[in-house]
Amino acid sequence: DAGVIQSPRHEVTEMGQEVTLRCKPISGHNSLFWYRQTMMRGLELLIYFNNNVPIDDSGMPEDRFSAKMPNASFSTLKIQPSEPRDSAVYFCASSFWGVGRSTEAFFGQGTRLTVV
Amino acid sequence: RKEVEQDPGPFNVPEGATVAFNCTYSNSASQSFFWYRQDCRKEPKLLMSVYSSGNEDGRFTAQLNRASQYISLLIRDSKLSDSATYLCVVSPTWDGTASKLTFGTGTRLQVTL
Repeated sequence: DAGVIQSPRHEVTEMGQEVTLRCKPISGHNSLFWYRQTMMRGLELLIYFNNNVPIDDSGMPEDRFSAKMPNASFSTLKIQPSEPRDSAVYFCASSFWGVGRSTEAFFGQGTRLTVV
Repeated sequence: RKEVEQDPGPFNVPEGATVAFNCTYSNSASQSFFWYRQDCRKEPKLLMSVYSSGNEDGRFTAQLNRASQYISLLIRDSKLSDSATYLCVVSPTWDGTASKLTFGTGTRLQVTL
């Protein structure tokens, strides 16, 4: 398995532009997580999906952020309009969750976003 | 109070030393515990799970203290390659629906010659 695949790896955009980050989870995993990591705040959970359904989006900073998971093998995180304070590394992770057990999350390599 | 708290460090230790990190969590119903390792500019990767009885993996030992709500990671005979940030991860009680992982902000370890 190729692991969690994110694209693009790096993104530089101007303030006000729309940014779309993409994620392909590991096949067979039923949970998907979007995280943001900055030096100041560490790794923060933005939103997570279970069986393609958004379960908790309380970490999404504001309405400029939206996430979708149209099927089990693809998810997007969109920022519109982007702002300089959105600059961070965005990680997607996936795992399998079943009754009575939890498994580790496997992370993609991240998208380093810079908004200028 | 943060859900998961860690000393950010850095912990600077010489090669061959033993070093220990602690992590405290606030949700007493937490069920799953992990240590992740993150190298500079890389993604976090699972180092080891933490079981109630404690567990060991080579030079690494993880322990759980439910009464005091903390987990620990002990690294013996530190290697230069152990230099990284160690993230404490906690998961709430499984209730038949999707759950989530809560990450600490990490403890940075720097092993020197």
